[in-house]
Amino acid sequence: EVQLLESGGGLVQPGGSLRLSCAASGFIFSSHAMNWVRQSPGKGLEWVSVISGSGGSTYYADSVKGRFTISRDSSKNTLYLQMNSLTAEDTAVYYCAREYSGSSLLDPWGQGTLVTVSS
Amino acid sequence: DIQMTQSPFSLSASVGDRVTITCRASQDIRNDLGWYQQKPGKAPKRLIYAASSLQSGVPSRFSGSGSGTEFTLTISSLQPEDFATYYCLQHNSYPRTFGQGTKVEIK
Repeated sequence: EVQLLESGGGLVQPGGSLRLSCAASGFIFSSHAMNWVRQSPGKGLEWVSVISGSGGSTYYADSVKGRFTISRDSSKNTLYLQMNSLTAEDTAVYYCAREYSGSSLLDPWGQGTLVTVSS
Repeated sequence: DIQMTQSPFSLSASVGDRVTITCRASQDIRNDLGWYQQKPGKAPKRLIYAASSLQSGVPSRFSGSGSGTEFTLTISSLQPEDFATYYCLQHNSYPRTFGQGTKVEIK
């Protein structure tokens, strides 16, 4: 069974840092690009970042560019999101999602991890 | 960046109704669009890829159409389990962008 399990969320002060992890299982991790998507409380979905299967290509939303870094470790089947210089606007549930080659469909998604930025 | 304008923001419908949701792209995205369903407190789930291809396991009452800049998601006969929020997502270029979402509520 394909599974994605996020971890690392929590309460952090403005200006602080946090690293999210997404543990993948049930598929060949290095064969798929992986995405992060977030959802602020009561709001819609916002695409955050993507990394290619090899890890050689990354892209970011303008709202996080220069502050967030996506990475992956194929030896651990784990996706990461390093988040720096956090602000209240980064408060959200963060989901990781596998991407299908060709169709670019995001499936499945993890259950999400909540990041709260507050003093 | 490509802007995705989704409408309506919300709608009320009854079981058995036909429901149509629209997404408009700010520029031509060919058929590089997917549709997702999200229920409260849950992660989104995929419905349709390449604008009109039904993902395996998704009921046939869901359908997608369109290309270029205008796309629609149709539920032919709304079922109780379909009350949720629906999002479109373009993957034609980076950054990828979602529509604002359409909440389908019970009338």
